[in-house]
Amino acid sequence: RKEVEQDPGPFNVPEGATVAFNCTYSNSASQSFFWYRQDCRKEPKLLMSVYSSGNEDGRFTAQLNRASQYISLLIRDSKLSDSATYLCAVISLKLIFGAGTRLAVHP
Amino acid sequence: DADVTQTPRNRITKTGKRIMLECSQTKGHDRMYWYRQDPGLGLRLIYYSFDVKDINKGEISDGYSVSRQAQAKFSLSLESAIPNQTALYFCATSDQSKGETIDTQYFGPGTRLTVL
Repeated sequence: RKEVEQDPGPFNVPEGATVAFNCTYSNSASQSFFWYRQDCRKEPKLLMSVYSSGNEDGRFTAQLNRASQYISLLIRDSKLSDSATYLCAVISLKLIFGAGTRLAVHP
Repeated sequence: DADVTQTPRNRITKTGKRIMLECSQTKGHDRMYWYRQDPGLGLRLIYYSFDVKDINKGEISDGYSVSRQAQAKFSLSLESAIPNQTALYFCATSDQSKGETIDTQYFGPGTRLTVL
């Protein structure tokens, strides 16, 4: 079993839709959690950190469920520009990335 | 100007050749990393360095070596390239700020390496 797993997608959604991705992790001692965004052929960039209490940044909401060992990313009112691959990352003893979930927003 | 730069951006080479990928950063960060990215496998850590005198193996270090020439420079070498080292390579930096536990990675633009 991979230490960090994501549904590869693609998630194909229309503009304005709400979409959510989950990312599961296997190490219960994991301490820090992140969502990165990666555009095609570009470098990953930090989208947001995930705090225990959950956090929101505009249309994006990240949540942590320690009991079930997953983090989630919710995107409301999807825009065409949200089309990208979303990578989760988890720190236990080291930083481990998931393989990413691809989102395609269409008109 | 980019904070983390990588050279070359693209490279095609032949099996058995020695290749060096270079990374420079102007962020003043102590920590630097090399990752490779393959479809379906995500980013995997090759080597990392927490300061100039510190080198650590990552998840997949076999076939690679690194050199931390200065705080701002971290190079990755493939001593004898093989086709399964064809991948997208990213350098990254981070800075564990005082009082913070979060270790955010800042990535360079990547080097696309093809080994024939």
